[in-house]
Amino acid sequence: RKEVEQDPGPFNVPEGATVAFNCTYSNSASQSFFWYRQDCRKEPKLLMSVYSSGNEDGRFTAQLNRASQYISLLIRDSKLSDSATYLCVVFKAAGNKLTFGGGTRVLVKP
Amino acid sequence: DVKVTQSSRYLVKRTGEKVFLECVQDMDHENMFWYRQDPGLGLRLIYFSYDVKMKEKGDIPEGYSVSREKKERFSLILESASTNQTSMYLCASSGTGGKQPQHFGDGTRLSIL
Repeated sequence: RKEVEQDPGPFNVPEGATVAFNCTYSNSASQSFFWYRQDCRKEPKLLMSVYSSGNEDGRFTAQLNRASQYISLLIRDSKLSDSATYLCVVFKAAGNKLTFGGGTRVLVKP
Repeated sequence: DVKVTQSSRYLVKRTGEKVFLECVQDMDHENMFWYRQDPGLGLRLIYFSYDVKMKEKGDIPEGYSVSREKKERFSLILESASTNQTSMYLCASSGTGGKQPQHFGDGTRLSIL
C-alpha cells in the first residue's frame, strides 16, 4: 500500500461549482500535512498547510481526520484558474522528509 | 520570495554519460532535496541534505549521488546515465522544522538517449 494515496481524477468541475477530494495516509505517526498545487509542466507550489482544527484560505478549505487517517481539500466557487493537479503531502519527523501523493487532477470547465 | 534555481530547463544526454544537475537556493535554507517526477508515480525523493557536506538517501537513490559543498548549492549526479533515468528532476529547499514548506525549482526535463 502506498504511504500517501490520492484519487488521480480527473475531476471535471463546472465553473462556479464546489469540488472536494481526499487523500489517505498509512502512517499514523505522520505529523504535518500540506496541499500543494502543480500546474502542467510547472513546479509544485504550496497551496496551504492543514491544521488539526481545519483551516480555510479564501475559497479553499482543508480538513484533517486523524482517526481515519485522511485529509481533504474543498474548493468553493471553482474558477477556470483552479485547474491543476493537487498534491497531498505528509511529513514525518522520523526521517525528516515529506512524502507526496500522486496528485488529483482537477479540470474546471466553463 | 524564495528562489530555487536549477541550472537547465531541458537536457539531453547519452547513455553512459556522467550527468550533473545543479540547484541553487537564495534563502539560506538548511534543507535541500532532489526528486524525480514520472507520470503515474508522482514525486519520489532521491536524496536530501540537512546541512553542508551531509546527505541522506531518499526512496530511490540507486544510480544517483549528490554533493553539497556549500549551503546554497545541491548537486545531483548521475554516475552513468541510463534510459530509465529519463525524467523530470525537481530540486527543493526548506528551512528546518516539519511545518516548513518546500520551495521548488522550475525542474529539469532530462532525456537520456
